[in-house]
Amino acid sequence: DSGVTQTPKHLITATGQRVTLRCSPRSGDLSVYWYQQSLDQGLQFLIQYYNGEERAKGNILERFSAQQFPDLHSELNLSSLELGDSALYFCASSVRVDTGELFFGEGSRLTVL
Amino acid sequence: GESVGLHLPTLSVQEGDNSIINCAYSNSASDYFIWYKQESGKGPQFIIDIRSNMDKRQGQRVTVLLNKTVKHLSLQIAATQPGDSAVYFCAENKEGGKLIFGQGTELSVKP
Repeated sequence: DSGVTQTPKHLITATGQRVTLRCSPRSGDLSVYWYQQSLDQGLQFLIQYYNGEERAKGNILERFSAQQFPDLHSELNLSSLELGDSALYFCASSVRVDTGELFFGEGSRLTVL
Repeated sequence: GESVGLHLPTLSVQEGDNSIINCAYSNSASDYFIWYKQESGKGPQFIIDIRSNMDKRQGQRVTVLLNKTVKHLSLQIAATQPGDSAVYFCAENKEGGKLIFGQGTELSVKP
């Protein structure tokens, strides 16, 4: 158990809909990351927050947004969903921002029908 | 552009043998690499990392070798066990946690 909690574990929705994925980082970790894993794209970095502020952005679509709250939990919002958004979405956390040692949750599997 | 890539998508070894998983990278300025293990149904798990000021780093049953001349790194697992069966990813750390992952090598351990 990495200590990172993600909900929901599975989500099935229709095209055009909006979903919110939630992440609670490990206790004490200030940095939260979101990654997307799909068969064709592999594991891709989406976005990073540190202590409530956006710190780095990757290949995150404009339809997607995220935030980190004062209690350090984070949410990833996916809107106007398309079939191609079906993927595993991982949240990870770390103590420091300069480390490659991330602690990943078990992921939220999103299926868009 | 930047990329890390693994040489083989699958690797099958006998239990007790040593495993070697290879990875190549393209950017000669890259200076921090990490290996992750992903078991079925789980998130990636950190194994070991190495910075460019080192050629070798050892952990528990694992060794990472970095050859900057040919832009290649490898993960060696000693005395491979069934519990080592997983997909292994090499990743480059770009800007503190922004990891660029390779495609992964699926390691199967035969009893």
